[in-house]
Amino acid sequence: KAGVTQTPRYLIKTRGQQVTLSCSPISGHRSVSWYQQTPGQGLQFLFEYFSETQRNKGNFPGRFSGRQFSNSRSEMNVSTLELGDSALYLCASTNRGELFFGEGSRLTVL
Amino acid sequence: QKEVEQNSGPLSVPEGAIASLNCTYSDRGSQSFFWYRQYSGKSPELIMSIYSNGDKEDGRFTAQLNKASQYVSLLIRDSQPSDSATYLCAVESGGSYIPTFGRGTSLIVHP
Repeated sequence: KAGVTQTPRYLIKTRGQQVTLSCSPISGHRSVSWYQQTPGQGLQFLFEYFSETQRNKGNFPGRFSGRQFSNSRSEMNVSTLELGDSALYLCASTNRGELFFGEGSRLTVL
Repeated sequence: QKEVEQNSGPLSVPEGAIASLNCTYSDRGSQSFFWYRQYSGKSPELIMSIYSNGDKEDGRFTAQLNKASQYVSLLIRDSQPSDSATYLCAVESGGSYIPTFGRGTSLIVHP
């Protein structure tokens, strides 16, 4: 059974740019969650999608958005990047609270 | 504000010893509790879930839950250098299936 796939794995952007990250969950899983991980804040919940609907949202500004497609693949977008957005962005297939993480997308904002 | 607290460590134990990792949480209504292991440069990996008071064993790992004390722990028996990692405690409440994570405890198992 294939795991969670995230692309790209690494990316470098400059302040003010935008970025789109992609996630394919475990086959058959309909719920996808996104987390931001930084050394200073730890793992912070961004949002969760289920059947193409945002079901839960964390405490992040509107620059962070996401969506889910009918095949359960999900994307997240960060607009007007700031230096503080540098982080590891993790996508997880979710199953009743259990999270199965992808390898993450490491974003560096210069 | 739901909080999950862990000692950041590092917790250093010799190979073969029992490592004890602790976690406290603030929301008395919490229902589901998880332990994740994260190796340096890697993503977190689920190692244990526990939902009711008492102990749950899986191989060398034992999770212990005490809801009255709002306390969950992870014991690793016969610790190996390969167990060296950061261990994240996660707690879910309210039926949202969205756990809140602690900041993690760094474990170092030295030969």
